[in-house]
Amino acid sequence: GAGVSQSPSNKVTEKGKDVELRCDPISGHTALYWYRQRLGQGLEFLIYFQGNSAPDKSGLPSDRFSAERTGESVSTLTIQRTQQEDSAVYLCASSFGQGRETQYFGPGTRLLVL
Amino acid sequence: GENVEQHPSTLSVQEGDSAVIKCTYSDSASNYFPWYKQELGKRPQLIIDIRSNVGEKKDQRIAVTLNKTAKHFSLHITETQPEDSAVYFCAAPSLISSGSARQLTFGSGTQLTVLP
Repeated sequence: GAGVSQSPSNKVTEKGKDVELRCDPISGHTALYWYRQRLGQGLEFLIYFQGNSAPDKSGLPSDRFSAERTGESVSTLTIQRTQQEDSAVYLCASSFGQGRETQYFGPGTRLLVL
Repeated sequence: GENVEQHPSTLSVQEGDSAVIKCTYSDSASNYFPWYKQELGKRPQLIIDIRSNVGEKKDQRIAVTLNKTAKHFSLHITETQPEDSAVYFCAAPSLISSGSARQLTFGSGTQLTVLP
């Protein structure tokens, strides 16, 4: 079946602008995760959605970052007033959740803030 | 929460040699340990995983071993090939801050280079 998809694949923006990144999880996956990966670095957890439960926002680096998810489908990650340090690859992953933890990653959105 | 440490951060081996990457975890309740491979510019891909009811699992040239007592697990790649060059991440489940559900905590990654 279809894997996790993300859009756009690349985004170049000017400092101070807002950006919105989209993630379509695998159908049937109740859990959805956002990560940030700076160049040459590891995976930095941002936020986690599980079904209709309140999201775990403990990884969001500042109040400029927010995310929403509609039911158990699409999620959007919004970065307001972008800064150059926000430049990174933003990866989305999904899993069945509820103890079935294997995460499947999307291709990522490469964000460059000029 | 879970703390996952991964070593080494970089590893170079000659083609045909073996490579071993080690991870330790802190939560004794963790019961699932996946390994991901990330090639340059690509997404992380699951290559092998192990559950805590077994001590070793093999898939062709790749194997993972688990020592629950010592709380560490290792990835073993035998007969390495240039296409094995990538960053490898280990992970272990951890309780999320808001409840009883678990999510994965990732190690910091190992850059493996296989020299021809």
